[in-house]
Order: sequence, then structure tokens, then C-alpha cells
Amino acid sequence: GDSVTQMEGPVTLSEEAFLTINCTYTATGYPSLFWYVQYPGEGLQLLLKATKADDKGSNKGFEATYRKETTSFHLEKGSVQVSDSAVYFCALIQGDSNYQLIWGAGTKLIIKP
Amino acid sequence: DTEVTQTPKHLVMGMTNKKSLKCEQHMGHRAMYWYKQKAKKPPELMFVYSYEKLSINESVPSRFSPECPNSSLLNLHLHALQPEDSALYLCASSQGYRGDQPQHFGDGTRLSIL
Repeated sequence: GDSVTQMEGPVTLSEEAFLTINCTYTATGYPSLFWYVQYPGEGLQLLLKATKADDKGSNKGFEATYRKETTSFHLEKGSVQVSDSAVYFCALIQGDSNYQLIWGAGTKLIIKP
Repeated sequence: DTEVTQTPKHLVMGMTNKKSLKCEQHMGHRAMYWYKQKAKKPPELMFVYSYEKLSINESVPSRFSPECPNSSLLNLHLHALQPEDSALYLCASSQGYRGDQPQHFGDGTRLSIL
């Protein structure tokens, strides 16, 4: 079946460091890919999405590119802030007419000042 | 600020109580969802409503009873819950089921069962 694999956390970085959180997927066909972020004590927020190969999603300085050849959707940010500390979830939806989000396990990010 | 509003934010209840969780969205979305999230885990889908009709029930125990009174509102009625039901309950909505119509989540209700 379809699945999403994320790098294990926690990931601990200093402020202004470069961030990469790896996400790879297994799916037939052409899924849509998402990154969601969950700040402490809050719900999930859609951070960015990409719906076809080579699409780049971006938001709040974060970027991720849909790479079909490597089945990856890695999250990057050039300079992280303490306020970026959160849990990041990679997810996919397979095809149209499909309600089922397939989630990665989540990666906790800790940014130290 | 989230466009999906959930109330209450926190709820503590005994195993014999009856309570309800509420969710509201005004984005004109026609699909609404209930999820359960345990600490440090991704959300687990419970129910899906499409055009105000229940379309998916992911084998959820009958002590959880969903209701969709209209296109903007979604309720989750709780009765005789167990301690293992303590979790964050998230509501989400989406315009439809296409991949470019992502699900938008509320901040959740943190439920504790005594």
C-alpha cells in the first residue's frame, strides 16, 4: 500500500541554520503531496503542497519540490527561527476522489536561540 | 488564525458523561472530517461527511456519534467514553476530494477522560 517515510526526530538546530527534513513516499500513480505543521498545543496547519511532478510548494520561507524520480518531497528552509519549532508531517493523497491522507510519522524540530 | 473553529478547546469528562464537540467552517467546503490524534502520532481518520451525509466511518466505536446539522457545522457526540479515548480531536474540511483541494484543520479539542 501507499506509505510516507520521514526522518526521525527530534531535529535540533541553532537559529539561522539551514533546515532539511527528508520525506520519501511509496505510491502508485501520481499522488498529491503535502507538508503540515503542528505548533505546540495547536492543531495542524497546511504549510505547502504540490500536486504534480517538479512542482515546488512554498510558504513562510519553507520550500519542497515534488521529485518523482526519487519519490521524495523534502522540506527546506534557508534560515530557521525559534518560532519554527514544531512537529512537521509529510502526507500524500492518492489520486482524485480520495479523502484518505496517508501520513508520515512526523518530525519534531527544535530550534535553539 | 484557523478558518476551522472547534469548541471547546479543552474538555474533561467522566466515563458516564455525555458531551459534544463542535466544529464550524465558513469556507463553503463540502467535505468535513473528524480525526483523533494521540501524542506524538499523526492523526487517525474517524469520520468523513460529504455534502452533509456520512460517507466514511472508519470502524469507530458507537460511543462516538457524529452529526452534520448543516454544511457549516459538524458535531461529535460522546457517551460512555473510556480512558484510552483521551486524545486531541481534530476537525478538518476541504472543498472536495481532489489532490489540489487540501484539508484544513482546526486547533482541536483536547479531551481527557477521568
